[in-house]
Amino acid sequence: EAGVVQSPRYKIIEKKQPVAFWCNPISGHNTLYWYLQNLGQGPELLIRYENEEAVDDSQLPKDRFSAERLKGVDSTLKIQPAELGDSAVYLCASSLGTAKPGTDTQYFGPGTRLTVL
Amino acid sequence: DAKTTQPNSMESNEEEPVHLPCNHSTISGTDYIHWYRQLPSQGPEYVIHGLTSNVNNRMASLAIAEDRKSSTLILHRATLRDAAVYYCILLTSGTYKYIFGTGTRLKVLA
Repeated sequence: EAGVVQSPRYKIIEKKQPVAFWCNPISGHNTLYWYLQNLGQGPELLIRYENEEAVDDSQLPKDRFSAERLKGVDSTLKIQPAELGDSAVYLCASSLGTAKPGTDTQYFGPGTRLTVL
Repeated sequence: DAKTTQPNSMESNEEEPVHLPCNHSTISGTDYIHWYRQLPSQGPEYVIHGLTSNVNNRMASLAIAEDRKSSTLILHRATLRDAAVYYCILLTSGTYKYIFGTGTRLKVLA
């Protein structure tokens, strides 16, 4: 079974440029998550989707970040414009979403390492 | 949201058991205890989870204190491939929101 796929794995851009990250979750997983991970820290949730609906985007900086999950499968996370402080690893995860809360296991992709110069 | 406290780092010799502690004194009755680990340059990987009883799987064992205010992840025979950051996370019932701390960096010595 294929895992969560993310691309690109690495991205280097100059500040004020736009950037987009793509995620393909595990087949059949209804719930998709985007996380931000700064160096030496644990991941922090940015947004959670159940199918096409963003059910928790409270931590997403909406002035420059946007996300979409068309057709409830693949998802794209965009930053426009990027700032120096956005340099981090962006992780995508998916889960079945049908297990009762507390037991739903999340499966993570390898992440995209963003460097903003 | 309930918080967890873990040591920043631990060391173990190869092929010896490792006990990774986690304190969660503010845990509520319906919070599940999850453990994930993150190998270098990879995303976090599920290890194990439990509610009240001790749990075993092919990767590890989870020992949960009777009052649930602490738990221990047990790797029965550490290998070099177990070197990673281990995260102890409480998943609040009714939510799907993991709150990761800084975890414990495990170093395995050959």
